[in-house]
Amino acid sequence: GAVVSQHPSRVICKSGTSVKIECRSLDFQATTMFWYRQFPKQSLMLMATSNEGSKATYEQGVEKDKFLINHASLTLSTLTVTSAHPEDSSFYICSARDPSRGPGSGNTIYFGEGSWLTVV
Amino acid sequence: GNSVTQMEGPVTLSEEAFLTINCTYTATGYPSLFWYVQYPGEGLQLLLKATKADDKGSNKGFEATYRKETTSFHLEKGSVQVSDSAVYFCALSLDYKLSFGAGTTVTVRA
Repeated sequence: GAVVSQHPSRVICKSGTSVKIECRSLDFQATTMFWYRQFPKQSLMLMATSNEGSKATYEQGVEKDKFLINHASLTLSTLTVTSAHPEDSSFYICSARDPSRGPGSGNTIYFGEGSWLTVV
Repeated sequence: GNSVTQMEGPVTLSEEAFLTINCTYTATGYPSLFWYVQYPGEGLQLLLKATKADDKGSNKGFEATYRKETTSFHLEKGSVQVSDSAVYFCALSLDYKLSFGAGTTVTVRA
């Protein structure tokens, strides 16, 4: 079946630095990918929609200059947390849509394994 | 807007007990419904799904039926195991974006 891979699975970075998280669709072309964030012991919240070849669409309250999203190819979207601070520590997870499986969300959305970011 | 409400936890059960986690939703349109599971220290895994009314999703002994009339998608398992200890998220999807419930932590004791 379709697989979405995220890298790194865990990363620790120093406050003030930037960190990049990659989301790859391994066996399908994903025209659309989604980035979610999960705070400790809370639910997942959609951050942005990443569209191949165009600018990402950010949800209300998400700083686009803080969380840079690039979807330069049909199999790769990246999330860069810029000038990271301890409050950015969170679980980030992507999902990708496989358009070849037809319309409807039930059969076309696949999640990556997620990335745990700790900013110290 | 779209939203998902699921029963609050934590839920603590003994092995072989019956598990129910209630989930109701509000949506504009006809969403697909999902249950995801997150084991300790791991990412999100799709447990089961249903794409239209009266569909029943099932996997690993878990079941949930898409009830349009009650806008519900309750998760059930007849006999839980210690390995079922995890956080369970109910979610709906419209336009490929998912809206998640708050999650229910389930702990199964031997």
